[in-house]
Amino acid sequence: GAGVSQSPSNKVTEKGKDVELRCDPISGHTALYWYRQSLGQGLEFLIYFQGNSAPDKSGLPSDRFSAERTGGSVSTLTIQRTQQEDSAVYLCASSSGQGGEQYFGPGTRLTVT
Amino acid sequence: DQQVKQNSPSLSVQEGRISILNCDYTNSMFDYFLWYKKYPAEGPTFLISISSIKDKNEDGRFTVFLNKSAKHLSLHIVPSQPGDSAVYFCAAGGGGNKLVFGAGTILRVKS
Repeated sequence: GAGVSQSPSNKVTEKGKDVELRCDPISGHTALYWYRQSLGQGLEFLIYFQGNSAPDKSGLPSDRFSAERTGGSVSTLTIQRTQQEDSAVYLCASSSGQGGEQYFGPGTRLTVT
Repeated sequence: DQQVKQNSPSLSVQEGRISILNCDYTNSMFDYFLWYKKYPAEGPTFLISISSIKDKNEDGRFTVFLNKSAKHLSLHIVPSQPGDSAVYFCAAGGGGNKLVFGAGTILRVKS
């Protein structure tokens, strides 16, 4: 079946603009995660959705970052008033919610100029 | 506070030899561990995992060893192939579905 998809694959935006990044998880997966990978860094956890529970937002770096997951499927990560330090690859992953393996999308490369 | 550490940023190995990638963790609540492989411009892909009740798990050329007392795990790839060249991430989880990732190790297999 289809894997995790993300759009856009690349996004260049000017400092101060808002951006929206989209993630389509694997159908039936109840858990959805957002990570980001800055140049030369590991995967930094941002936010986690599990079913209808309140999301775990503990990794969001500032209040300019928010995410929602509509209907338990598609998720959107929004970054308001982007800054240059927001430049990174934003990765989405989903899992069956039983712990263990997460399946990653190809990522969105965000460049803030 | 890095709970999962991969202290070697890169490793270079000759084709056919063994590659050993190391990972250390600090949180004793972690009860399962995974290795992911990442090629440029792609998302990480799952490689192999191990539960804390085991000390070894093998899948073809890939073996993961877990030493709970030392809070250390390693991934062995033998024989290494040029196609194994990628970034390898160690990840740990426990008490839920969140994973904590290490910073990654770049493996280069020379032919």
